[in-house]
Order: sequence, then C-alpha cells, then structure tokens
Amino acid sequence: AQSVTQPDIHITVSEGASLELRCNYSYGATPYLFWYVQSPGQGLQLLLKYFSGDTLVQGIKGFEAEFKRSQSSFNLRKPSVHWSDAAEYFCAVGGAGGSNYKLTFGKGTLLTVNP
Amino acid sequence: GAVVSQHPSWVICKSGTSVKIECRSLDFQATTMFWYRQFPKQSLMLMATSNEGSKATYEQGVEKDKFLINHASLTLSTLTVTSAHPEDSSFYICRSYSNTEAFFGQGTRLTVV
Repeated sequence: AQSVTQPDIHITVSEGASLELRCNYSYGATPYLFWYVQSPGQGLQLLLKYFSGDTLVQGIKGFEAEFKRSQSSFNLRKPSVHWSDAAEYFCAVGGAGGSNYKLTFGKGTLLTVNP
Repeated sequence: GAVVSQHPSWVICKSGTSVKIECRSLDFQATTMFWYRQFPKQSLMLMATSNEGSKATYEQGVEKDKFLINHASLTLSTLTVTSAHPEDSSFYICRSYSNTEAFFGQGTRLTVV
C-alpha cells in the first residue's frame, strides 16, 4: 500500500529564511510525487510534480523539490520564504494511468512565517 | 481560470437533510472523478472513485448509501450527502482526471447543524 509521511506537523520560519519541508513515501513501483499548498478554507494548488527525468523539479512561486529514490524522499525547498507562503503543505504520491491515478496524501505541514 | 468548478463553496444545512455538491470540468472531459474529504487540521482522505457512466468505487469505511456519487457525463459529477448529521461536517473536494492531467475543485465546506 502506498503511504506518505510528513514528519513535521508545524514549522515556523522567519521571512527571508530558507525552508525545507520533508516528505517520505512508500510505493511499490515508480512513484508519481506531488506537492500541494492549501490556504485556509481553500482548495489545493499544485506547486510541482515529479514523474520522471531530472530529479530536481522546479515549481511555481520559487519552490523546488528533489526526488531521492535511495531515501524515498521528496523534500520541498525554497531559498527565501515570503509571508504569503504561510499555508498548509501536502505531499502526495500516486501511480500512473486511468483510475489508478489515485493520490495518497501526507498529513500536511503547517507553515508559519514570522515577520 | 479554474478548470474544475465546484459548487457550492460552502453550505450550512440542518441535520437530516441532504446536500448535493457539483463538480464541473471546464474545457476538458473528466473520465474519472475522485472525491475526497478533509476533516479540520487533517489530510485529504479519498472517499470514492467514479468513472463516467459507471458506479462509483468506494473506499473502505465510506457508506455508499450515505454518500451518493453520480458521474453521468464527462463534465459533471455530483456528490450527495444524504440525511446529513453533524459528524458529516467537513471539507469535500473533487479531483477530475482526464487522460493526462488531473485538477482539483475549489472544495465545499459543509456544516451540518
């Protein structure tokens, strides 16, 4: 069964500081990996995804993530955090194709940004 | 603009009534629709998967008679919460899948009083 672990429930950083959100996954085949951001009361916005190829993936809003197969990780990074980045971040894993394109989500990491 | 329109964005209903949530795929045909539920401060949990024209497949523990899913066309899927109770209060969100891409709706905040 596929699963996602986000070890950090809540992270607080200062504006301008760097950020890394951790994500570990378990999946029986080559995973499709995603990072989503959710603002309070809102839907989910896709930040970036990894399907294959270059293991360093660039996303929107200055985010990037690196797929490390040996560590089963897909950590999200940003070199300089902005106050508007405060939100909940979800890592997700899925498979390819058709109705198997289900996603399993981690429990999320709440990011607080201090001025 | 949004490629999946979910409506309503929020709803308050009385206990015992039914509520219908719609998800419309704009500009593409959704062969598969996933419905998720998110309790406060928790992650998204998959409730069911539906393919156009077929019965939905429900995840373990999800009551199919309570959460009725209809996916009669490639652009519209509905989730009806029947005989809603306060414990059904949650954030419900759809995810439309075509052959190559998937998109979330904006979500519906359901409060049952």
